[in-house]
Amino acid sequence: DGGITQSPKYLFRKEGQNVTLSCEQNLNHDAMYWYRQDPGQGLRLIYYSQIVNDFQKGDIAEGYSVSREKKESFPLTVTSAQKNPTAFYLCASRNRDRVQNEQFFGPGTRLTVL
Amino acid sequence: GQNIDQPTEMTATEGAIVQINCTYQTSGFNGLFWYQQHAGEAPTFLSYNVLDGLEEKGRFSSFLSRSKGYSYLLLKELQMKDSASYLCAGPYTGGFKTIFGAGTRLFVKA
Repeated sequence: DGGITQSPKYLFRKEGQNVTLSCEQNLNHDAMYWYRQDPGQGLRLIYYSQIVNDFQKGDIAEGYSVSREKKESFPLTVTSAQKNPTAFYLCASRNRDRVQNEQFFGPGTRLTVL
Repeated sequence: GQNIDQPTEMTATEGAIVQINCTYQTSGFNGLFWYQQHAGEAPTFLSYNVLDGLEEKGRFSSFLSRSKGYSYLLLKELQMKDSASYLCAGPYTGGFKTIFGAGTRLFVKA
């Protein structure tokens, strides 16, 4: 079955620690995205990648980093520079050959900083 | 800017019809998406409108007016499982980047 997976589902970290969130897709999609969602709010774009070895900052990239070494994988690192990292993180992918192609989302990772 | 505005919450009765509105600034978007998100879960795709008018898909319909920067999602024969957030989203031309509204939380009561 094709899909997009994220791990872990719940993650706890201490202040000052970096943590990496995994995102893998086997949909053969070129484009991948990371969003952050805070309670009662919409999705805010952190980073996105249109193709392997290329990525762009979204609206709230400060304190985050990504890599795109493989088409299937787009890990997100939350660094200690991120002031308020507790949130629900969603990864998505899409086939970029048409504008009307929707994004497919992973199940999300809920990060809590203790 | 590309602000997208939606009502924060709505309540409707099981079996009824509800319309969720979305307004946005008109420049830059190529069509409009609607997604459904149940609490604690990932958003799932509902509809995409690129031309003006109404697109019907079962119990759900979506309308777009590009000149007015206005869209709505119409849900008919409401069921309890329709209780969720509904996100309006605008893709920039090219589709590489999409801006999401804050979402409308719909509560369906018996």
